[in-house]
Amino acid sequence: KAGVTQTPRYLIKTRGQQVTLSCSPISGHRSVSWYQQTPGQGLQFLFEYFSETQRNKGNFPGRFSGRQFSNSRSEMNVSTLELGDSALYLCASRLAGEYNEQFFGPGTRLTVL
Amino acid sequence: AQSVAQPEDQVNVAEGNPLTVKCTYSVSGNPYLFWYVQYPNRGLQFLLKYITGDNLVKGSYGFEAEFNKSQTSFHLKKPSALVSDSALYFCAVRDMSQTYSGGGADGLTFGKGTHLIIQP
Repeated sequence: KAGVTQTPRYLIKTRGQQVTLSCSPISGHRSVSWYQQTPGQGLQFLFEYFSETQRNKGNFPGRFSGRQFSNSRSEMNVSTLELGDSALYLCASRLAGEYNEQFFGPGTRLTVL
Repeated sequence: AQSVAQPEDQVNVAEGNPLTVKCTYSVSGNPYLFWYVQYPNRGLQFLLKYITGDNLVKGSYGFEAEFNKSQTSFHLKKPSALVSDSALYFCAVRDMSQTYSGGGADGLTFGKGTHLIIQP
């Protein structure tokens, strides 16, 4: 069974631009979560989607948004990029059910210049 | 609110020796606890989890973790370290009281991570 895939793997943008990152979960997984990883802040939860609905949202500004499609694939968008948005963005998927662990993709490395 | 503390930024262990990576947590309800490992330029890999039951949980690659409710700890252990165990280790918690009907759940709260370095 294929793992979580994220595209693109690397991205370079300039301040003020916007970016869209994509995540394809493991087949059968309907829950997709997004995390931001930086050296200073560590891993921070962005949001979780389940069956196309946002279930939870972390403490990030409204510039960060996401959506989930009917095939469970998810995208996250960051508008008006800031230098501090440079990070590794990780997507994770899991089976429905509160006991199930998340499986992470390799991440998208975003650099904002 | 839920939180996780990994008090050591780095742990150094000689190959063949036992290793322990420490984790303490704080939740208002009962915890779900997880350990993940991250290799350079890779995503996180699941090692093990504690939901309920036995306090000693066995996971992947020979790792195990001991849940201690009175000390609110969930330390990761391995009897004999390998050089290939060198990586970044994350402890994570989800508060059981923060679950939702229908299968969704709150996001995990991760610790800052501990660099484990196994010396040959």
